Amino acid sequence: KQEVTQIPAALSVPEGENLVLNCSFTDSAIYNLQWFRQDPGKGLTSLLLIQSSQREQTSGRLNASLDKSSGRSTLYIAASQPGDSATYLCAVKASGANSKLTFGKGITLSVRP
Amino acid sequence: ETGVTQTPRHLVMGMTNKKSLKCEQHLGHNAMYWYKQSAKKPLELMFVYNFKEQTENNSVPSRFSPECPNSSHLFLHLHTLQPEDSALYLCASSQGFSYVKSTEAFFGQGTRLTVV
Repeated sequence: KQEVTQIPAALSVPEGENLVLNCSFTDSAIYNLQWFRQDPGKGLTSLLLIQSSQREQTSGRLNASLDKSSGRSTLYIAASQPGDSATYLCAVKASGANSKLTFGKGITLSVRP
Repeated sequence: ETGVTQTPRHLVMGMTNKKSLKCEQHLGHNAMYWYKQSAKKPLELMFVYNFKEQTENNSVPSRFSPECPNSSHLFLHLHTLQPEDSALYLCASSQGFSYVKSTEAFFGQGTRLTVV
């Protein structure tokens, strides 16, 4: 059974800092990995999707990497801003495009002005 | 705006009530999902539909009844719920099959359900 872990559960950093959010998963036979952002009481917004054959994806100040063999992904946020404050969730899709996403509990990020 | 719309956004219902949650997507996706998000827990998959057919029921109690009349619409019918069913219910959609390169999932804003 796939398990996804995100540690720490919460993180507080000053504005402007570069930071790394970690995600680990137990079964390396994944189809893809997706990072989401969730604001309080809201739905999930997809940030980056990395296919199993890819090593990284970039979008603006965000960069996500994937190391399937070690069961790890990182989300790098450059020059953090107060507007980046949210919960960041990592989810993996098992092999086979039709399979479900397994989510971590998320990391709640607070960027202090 | 993700292209997935859920209504209502907030719902308060008594344990004897019957209500329905609605999800709609116009992204051309063929897979739709219901997830439950409770405090301090990971998102829990409830149901999966592919091309209107239910392909997964994640041991969900029968007081939750899904309906998928077409690939664009998904409902979750609720009856005789318990207070512990209070949670954020999220709908998602994606392209479900491997001939499509990207199976990125898109989520709605959720329905905050409170059972009193």
